Amino acid sequence: ETGVTQTPRHLVMGMTNKKSLKCEQHLGHNAMYWYKQSAKKPLELMFVYNFKEQTENNSVPSRFSPECPNSSHLFLHLHTLQPEDSALYLCASSQDPQGSTLTDTQYFGPGTRLTVL
Amino acid sequence: AQTVTQSQPEMSVQEAETVTLSCTYDTSESDYYLFWYKQPPSRQMILVIRQEAYKQQNATENRFSVNFQKAAKSFSLKISDSQLGDAAMYFCAYRSSYNDMCFGAGTRLTVKP
Repeated sequence: ETGVTQTPRHLVMGMTNKKSLKCEQHLGHNAMYWYKQSAKKPLELMFVYNFKEQTENNSVPSRFSPECPNSSHLFLHLHTLQPEDSALYLCASSQDPQGSTLTDTQYFGPGTRLTVL
Repeated sequence: AQTVTQSQPEMSVQEAETVTLSCTYDTSESDYYLFWYKQPPSRQMILVIRQEAYKQQNATENRFSVNFQKAAKSFSLKISDSQLGDAAMYFCAYRSSYNDMCFGAGTRLTVKP
């Protein structure tokens, strides 16, 4: 059983819909991440949260809105997406905030397969 | 900027044989970590092995080992005695104190029975 869970596993939405992706980590970690995985492209880091505070936003369009209410939960709110946003969205967590410990390893959830029609 | 390159989009190996997946990276830093992650069809990304750049000894985890050539900026993964369950996408990744995790595009490994 993975320490990082994501729901839903699959999501189909229209461009005018509003939906949210949820991630929960059961590992007692302090940092959480959102990645986008598109076909034949390297994973793209979208957002980083350390101790519930957003520390990274890698030029992600505003139609993606993250929320981290506590160190165990991370959401990605979606609205007015485009078909090119269709991808696998992966959540990850790590014990220490990025940059503080070089040995830190990220643990990934199973992902949400998003299709935008 | 750091980049990670996996030049083999697809590889195949016969069950019980050995296969090596290639990875090269570009960095100007001297202290960093390298990782290999496995992503099976179930999509769960799993850490396979990691290597500290300051260590000369190659990391080993059971059937998985790396060939780390720091001067050449090469970090290949060797899978010995390949099993059907090894079939997956394999991602090489780099991380330093000053930079985010950077992933390669992945290599799809097929294991033939």
